[in-house]
Amino acid sequence: AQSVTQPDIHITVSEGASLELRCNYSYGATPYLFWYVQSPGQGLQLLLKYFSGDTLVQGIKGFEAEFKRSQSSFNLRKPSVHWSDAAEYFCAAYNTDKLIFGTGTRLQVFP
Amino acid sequence: KAGVTQTPRYLIKTRGQQVTLSCSPISGHRSVSWYQQTPGQGLQFLFEYFSETQRNKGNFPGRFSGRQFSNSRSEMNVSTLELGDSALYLCASSHYYEQYFGPGTRLTVT
Repeated sequence: AQSVTQPDIHITVSEGASLELRCNYSYGATPYLFWYVQSPGQGLQLLLKYFSGDTLVQGIKGFEAEFKRSQSSFNLRKPSVHWSDAAEYFCAAYNTDKLIFGTGTRLQVFP
Repeated sequence: KAGVTQTPRYLIKTRGQQVTLSCSPISGHRSVSWYQQTPGQGLQFLFEYFSETQRNKGNFPGRFSGRQFSNSRSEMNVSTLELGDSALYLCASSHYYEQYFGPGTRLTVT
């Protein structure tokens, strides 16, 4: 079955440290891939997307993600985390008119 | 452009009642999708409408239904509410493959 996996349920980093959130997908072909962020009690905000082409994509808020076909991965990165980045992050794949979401990674940022 | 709006934002209902949630998509977007978010099951797809037609449906019981109007606004209805229906219901409007989410409606069933 098609699926998206986020292996890390909870990650804690210090402010200013670098960040990488992992995402793996299981599909027959390369799906369209997305990262969303959700602050408590809020909806989902689109951070970035990958459809095709350049495998390193830039998003909002200083985030980037790299698509690696050989590893079926689409990891999210940020070079220097800010306290305001604390939130839950969801990786998603688009397939037949719907998004399949991973289970999310909760990011905690220490000052 | 205004974002996706959902009303109401919070709702408390009793088991056995029914509820209707509303979603207004971004202007010009013709596709609206609904998702249910719970701590146990995460984000799950309910259904998707395009030009007033349901194009796709998730694995939910028939108590969950929806519709879309000619102005692309959408409603979802849950009948005979159960405690397990307590969740955040998110609406998303789409432009091609990009989905933009509203703030959600928090439904609590007591």
